[in-house]
Amino acid sequence: DAGVIQSPRHEVTEMGQEVTLRCKPISGHNSLFWYRQTMMRGLELLIYFNNNVPIDDSGMPEDRFSAKMPNASFSTLKIQPSEPRDSAVYFCASRPTGSTTGELFFGEGSRLTVL
Amino acid sequence: GENVEQHPSTLSVQEGDSAVIKCTYSDSASNYFPWYKQELGKGPQLIIDIRSNVGEKKDQRIAVTLNKTAKHFSLHITETQPEDSAVYFCAFSPGGSNYKLTFGKGTLLTVNP
Repeated sequence: DAGVIQSPRHEVTEMGQEVTLRCKPISGHNSLFWYRQTMMRGLELLIYFNNNVPIDDSGMPEDRFSAKMPNASFSTLKIQPSEPRDSAVYFCASRPTGSTTGELFFGEGSRLTVL
Repeated sequence: GENVEQHPSTLSVQEGDSAVIKCTYSDSASNYFPWYKQELGKGPQLIIDIRSNVGEKKDQRIAVTLNKTAKHFSLHITETQPEDSAVYFCAFSPGGSNYKLTFGKGTLLTVNP
């Protein structure tokens, strides 16, 4: 079975450029999460979608960050304009329909470097 | 609060020895405590979890213990093997949330052959 699929795996860009990260959750999972991982702050929840609707975006750091989930099989996290402090590994995770707190299935992450 | 302290930050053991990682949290409403393993270049993967109505759970060489009074929980790995080398994260559900997890800063475990 395919797991959570993220793209790109690596992105190097210059400050000020727009960055779009993509995620395909596991089929049948209706909860989707975007996390950011850095050495300093660890794993931080950015935004949580349930049934394609954003439920909690309190972790989105600034207006430069936005996330969408136009359908059950696709989500994007966009940073515009990007800054060097946005450099991190961004993970998408999904959880099965009907599950409350329970196993999160993480993708392999998108490593972003902003120069 | 929504903080969790995880110790140690690094742990090196000899193959066959046991490893213990401990996390302390502050939110008494928390009721779900998972542990995730992250290998290099991969996303975190759930290895074991425990809910607040039990004190201990075991799965082969891995066990988790929970002390709700003291607000701490621990991961125990017995008979460690080189493939256990990874970063381990504890997490908890702040405020008893049914979706949100707060993660610890991680423990880099190295098992030396």
